[in-house]
Amino acid sequence: ILNVEQSPQSLHVQEGDSTNFTCSFPSSNFYALHWYRWETAKSPEALFVMTLNGDEKKKGRISATLNTKEGYSYLYIKGSQPEDSATYLCAFLPGRRALTFGSGTRLQVQP
Amino acid sequence: DAGVIQSPRHEVTEMGQEVTLRCKPISGHNSLFWYRQTMMRGLELLIYFNNNVPIDDSGMPEDRFSAKMPNASFSTLKIQPSEPRDSAVYFCASRPAGGPDTQYFGPGTRLTVL
Repeated sequence: ILNVEQSPQSLHVQEGDSTNFTCSFPSSNFYALHWYRWETAKSPEALFVMTLNGDEKKKGRISATLNTKEGYSYLYIKGSQPEDSATYLCAFLPGRRALTFGSGTRLQVQP
Repeated sequence: DAGVIQSPRHEVTEMGQEVTLRCKPISGHNSLFWYRQTMMRGLELLIYFNNNVPIDDSGMPEDRFSAKMPNASFSTLKIQPSEPRDSAVYFCASRPAGGPDTQYFGPGTRLTVL
């Protein structure tokens, strides 16, 4: 059983705050680490696919880093907006097989 | 492209009835995944297919669940007989061949078993 853990489970921030969450995953047999954004009543949407140790990806105010040797990835949101409110899922891909999802970090941004 | 298509979007049935969920992956994608989302267990993989062949069905809860992919553009997930604990949102996702590429999720089917 693959252990993909995300912390914190939930987070409440004020509009304009910057925030970050953590995903930890097994450091062996690494193939890729995915981040998804999942809004209530919708389906998960891909944010980033990260494959190389030291990778940094950025999309607007959201960025992510990857450390495959120690088995963690950080997702950062700069200047949070209410529309950023969602659950952020990370998923580990060991070899080119199926993703194992973490339980997610639920972010609420208060206006 | 229309994206991953799932039907029905909502299904309400009575315990003991057969339920069939349908998925049409994105054209050209060669991997297809069925997930179940529950409050208790989050998003869990049930089964996935590569080139229409089931690769890993270890997540299928029990023999009441079965999945097929008769061709590259269609898959079904069947529950027979259904039970109230099967109530969940079932997502289908597809992935293109090659690379660690993103999975694209369908809108999900919300199943309620009374």
